[in-house]
Amino acid sequence: AAGVIQSPRHLIKEKRETATLKCYPIPRHDTVYWYQQGPGQDPQFLISFYEKMQSDKGSIPDRFSAQQFSDYHSELNMSSLELGDSALYFCASSFGGLNQPQHFGDGTRLSIL
Amino acid sequence: AQTVTQSQPEMSVQEAETVTLSCTYDTSENNYYLFWYKQPPSRQMILVIRQEAYKQQNATENRFSVNFQKAAKSFSLKISDSQLGDTAMYFCAFTKETSGSRLTFGEGTQLTVNP
Repeated sequence: AAGVIQSPRHLIKEKRETATLKCYPIPRHDTVYWYQQGPGQDPQFLISFYEKMQSDKGSIPDRFSAQQFSDYHSELNMSSLELGDSALYFCASSFGGLNQPQHFGDGTRLSIL
Repeated sequence: AQTVTQSQPEMSVQEAETVTLSCTYDTSENNYYLFWYKQPPSRQMILVIRQEAYKQQNATENRFSVNFQKAAKSFSLKISDSQLGDTAMYFCAFTKETSGSRLTFGEGTQLTVNP
């Protein structure tokens, strides 16, 4: 079965640079979620979109922004990167109308040098 | 706000034995969903089992079952016939019954299955 696709899998940036993470949900899924997982920590929710509208917002820094496009894929844009942004970034998708479980992609590992 | 607590940072079990992981949560919601996710060393997040709060019957998925006690706000995971491949970090998670709502995770329990 098709899964959530995230790209890139690994990304290395320097401080103050920008990064864009992409997420392609499972076909027919209309809801996308972004999570950040630091080393040894549980995933922390950043933001979600249902039918291309923001549906929930967590502790997402102002330096980050995200959107969901007409084909339901989503992008997380990160600017003025800091060392503390080094983490594993997960995207998950679900068929939001029936509050189905969230299925996770393999994540993007972002390292800030 | 919802909170999820896993009080066992680490647990171990012998292969083929049974182990129970604990989870408690706090919420003022009446309708919600609870999940257990597994994160093996590959760091993938894999859904193990799901429980709807309005269902009294405990969910079961093959060797995995839950003990859901709504009044006590407790949601434990039982793994029967443990296998080496069950070695992973296990996260308990909560979400409200609203489309697009976040998952709130517990701190996780690192389970090691020993041969």
